[in-house]
Amino acid sequence: GENVEQHPSTLSVQEGDSAVIKCTYSDSASNYFPWYKQELGKRPQLIIDIRSNVGEKKDQRIAVTLNKTAKHFSLHITETQPEDSAVYFCAAPPSRGGTSYGKLTFGQGTILTVHP
Amino acid sequence: GAVVSQHPSRVICKSGTSVKIECRSLDFQATTMFWYRQFPKQSLMLMATSNEGSKATYEQGVEKDKFLINHASLTLSTLTVTSAHPEDSSFYICSARGGWGTNEKLFFGSGTQLSVL
Repeated sequence: GENVEQHPSTLSVQEGDSAVIKCTYSDSASNYFPWYKQELGKRPQLIIDIRSNVGEKKDQRIAVTLNKTAKHFSLHITETQPEDSAVYFCAAPPSRGGTSYGKLTFGQGTILTVHP
Repeated sequence: GAVVSQHPSRVICKSGTSVKIECRSLDFQATTMFWYRQFPKQSLMLMATSNEGSKATYEQGVEKDKFLINHASLTLSTLTVTSAHPEDSSFYICSARGGWGTNEKLFFGSGTQLSVL
């Protein structure tokens, strides 16, 4: 099955700085990579995703990059704000059935703290 | 985006009792829903895949007789934790793949915090 590794486990930045979280995956056939933001006690919220046919996708202050050869993808948050503080999870689907199943394997999570 | 509703949000029960959690897709039909469990400060772990009209598929190590899943309609899946024990205390969260136009995107319910005394 898919193995997703996420780093770092915690990340502390000053407001206005950039934050980068990285994930690696094991299955080269994986073709969809979402990022979720989860605040304490709440549901994970999809913040951005990327398919394997593109290398980068951007949505305002958030961007995701994908390196299929190296099998890793990263979340980039620029001009961080205190409200960006949360736990961020990357995920990837198992290759068997791909995204059509909707199953996801999640990374271990990164606790992001943005200090005012 | 697609809306997934989950109830209850929090439940406290005595050891040995059973607890039912409901997950509904409000504005789309979900032939497949997923149940995850999340312990404090940990990641989401897939427990089972709920298929409308058929038996659920459980992940390795998840007891199917303890975590009963029923997916009787295209908009409702339920998870029943039977004979709950303190070690079952966790955050349970369902998810469903969105409908037309959202294809592979996975949307989550609001989660249920289960505390077994």
